[in-house]
Amino acid sequence: KNQVEQSPQSLIILEGKNCTLQCNYTVSPFSNLRWYKQDTGRGPVSLTIMTFSENTKSNGRYTATLDADTKQSSLHITASQLSDSASYICVVSRYGNKLVFGAGTILRVKS
Amino acid sequence: GAVVSQHPSRVICKSGTSVKIECRSLDFQATTMFWYRQFPKQSLMLMATSNEGSKATYEQGVEKDKFLINHASLTLSTLTVTSAHPEDSSFYICSARSLRGLAGGYNEQFFGPGTRLTVL
Repeated sequence: KNQVEQSPQSLIILEGKNCTLQCNYTVSPFSNLRWYKQDTGRGPVSLTIMTFSENTKSNGRYTATLDADTKQSSLHITASQLSDSASYICVVSRYGNKLVFGAGTILRVKS
Repeated sequence: GAVVSQHPSRVICKSGTSVKIECRSLDFQATTMFWYRQFPKQSLMLMATSNEGSKATYEQGVEKDKFLINHASLTLSTLTVTSAHPEDSSFYICSARSLRGLAGGYNEQFFGPGTRLTVL
């Protein structure tokens, strides 16, 4: 069964701290993995996208990693800001472009 | 680039009425558009896939006569919720994909900002 599981379900951190979100997937055939940020009441915005051969990709303070052997990905946020408070969704694309969505991790950054 | 808009952003209607939601790709041609529904604290659920000029493909469990999708041009798709009921209240999000692969050939989907539908 094609599934994407994310952990933790929610997370609260202090402003300025780092955090890492996890994503495990059982999607086949694998095409690419994306991380999206979704603010409350808004559509998802792409942060990173990685193919099978890429194991790390950065976008500012966001760094995503991918281990295609263990089918795991992580999103590391450095020096968190209040504006980072959002839901972070891991999405795996199958060939044929069906997207499989994780349930998301709700991040809250406190001052 | 790669901007997708939705209109309206928020709509409140009475039970039994129909509501139309527009999805537009502003700076690229979207050969395929997708419609998703998202309930509170849940992830996006794909409702249907529409290709320009052809009938939409609906996911299992989605009533095609209730959720009418039209993709009349390469920049516009519409979702009409017919005879809306309170259980149809949700956040509806569209996404658009270009065959040119704006994101380095990944055929990435670009999401709209969503439409909050409340049926009284």
